[in-house]
Amino acid sequence: DQQVKQNSPSLSVQEGRISILNCDYTNSMFDYFLWYKKYPAEGPTFLISISSIKDKNEDGRFTVFLNKSAKHLSLHIVPSQPGDSAVYFCAASLATDSWGKLQFGAGTQVVVTP
Amino acid sequence: DSGVTQTPKHLITATGQRVTLRCSPRSGDLSVYWYQQSLDQGLQFLIQYYNGEERAKGNILERFSAQQFPDLHSELNLSSLELGDSALYFCASARTDVSGNTIYFGEGSWLTVV
Repeated sequence: DQQVKQNSPSLSVQEGRISILNCDYTNSMFDYFLWYKKYPAEGPTFLISISSIKDKNEDGRFTVFLNKSAKHLSLHIVPSQPGDSAVYFCAASLATDSWGKLQFGAGTQVVVTP
Repeated sequence: DSGVTQTPKHLITATGQRVTLRCSPRSGDLSVYWYQQSLDQGLQFLIQYYNGEERAKGNILERFSAQQFPDLHSELNLSSLELGDSALYFCASARTDVSGNTIYFGEGSWLTVV
């Protein structure tokens, strides 16, 4: 039962433009959400996170927005750079679970073109 | 480099065999996690250890077991291997198990069962 869903398997964006990655979840008990980036042959790298008590968190070019009523979060990357080409995973943690027991989405492959 | 070290990077073994995957967490990190990434299942949480004690379990098969040693390194033991166990196994670590602690992933161990 996939409780974290990334419905877009791929996204192509031009360099300098905004990348918007979406993630939906079904369990209202998730209290923390994270985004990871993964290059081929490497492990996932932490990007940014957001607690369920917030609706926005920003770190440099990365901003995550959380809409709890819609059970939806998004990651905005502005401006997109060629080095951003990677697979992006959305992950969530249940309030009742041990920290680090994350549920991951299937990932979105981002390609940034010149 | 996340600071999480996994060995071996690649492993090919036959069905029915047993293998051990090793993980050295980042210096000072008490929490160690094991995840499995297969083509059809995505990233799945297997098990967590915190300071030598099992803290949380996910969808880990009975044929699989793990432990964390006094020096905080961890091993994941996979036995009676089946073709379906072929996957990328990630180890991750965090300083503590407090919510929001950054979780760092290693580069993974590729297991191929033939």
